[in-house]
Amino acid sequence: AQTVTQSQPEMSVQEAETVTLSCTYDTSESDYYLFWYKQPPSRQMILVIRQEAYKQQNATENRFSVNFQKAAKSFSLKISDSQLGDAAMYFCAYRSALRANSKLTFGKGITLSVRP
Amino acid sequence: DVKVTQSSRYLVKRTGEKVFLECVQDMDHENMFWYRQDPGLGLRLIYFSYDVKMKEKGDIPEGYSVSREKKERFSLILESASTNQTSMYLCASSPLPVGGEYFGPGTRLTVT
Repeated sequence: AQTVTQSQPEMSVQEAETVTLSCTYDTSESDYYLFWYKQPPSRQMILVIRQEAYKQQNATENRFSVNFQKAAKSFSLKISDSQLGDAAMYFCAYRSALRANSKLTFGKGITLSVRP
Repeated sequence: DVKVTQSSRYLVKRTGEKVFLECVQDMDHENMFWYRQDPGLGLRLIYFSYDVKMKEKGDIPEGYSVSREKKERFSLILESASTNQTSMYLCASSPLPVGGEYFGPGTRLTVT
């Protein structure tokens, strides 16, 4: 079974600075997707970024980028120029690409606070 | 934009009551999911459905059932609510081929 580990429960960053959120996963599969989701306080969870395992290039979405290290099974999220609106809980998630109806496996999440 | 709606944001029920949580998506997605979210445990999958009338158990199906009579609607049923089912319930949908899920706003259920 696949597992996703987010070992840091909380992190804090100064506004305008850069922060990196860590995630590791364990799988024996070769083809899969990795995701970062953001859940602001009392608000809906949204997809931040997605990475396909067969793509070597790291995904980027505006100020959000990932560092995908397939051999190390590591998938960290970098947030550049942090803004107050980035304060949220962030979840890392894994999905197999080998089965059409595979489910997401989530990490336990990390709470990011942004200091003004 | 994809929209996933849930019937209630907050719900308070008594132990032993039958509880229905409704979820509707408007993007013709094949897959629909029910999760519960608890502090320190992250999101855990209760049930999912990849087609009308089809369902599969997730990681924690005990005490729950689901119904999917129409493609856009996925219901979670607590046959006899218990206090340990007090939680945040999140519904999600996703298209095929699978990508990321689109989540609803959540229902915070309290069972007293």
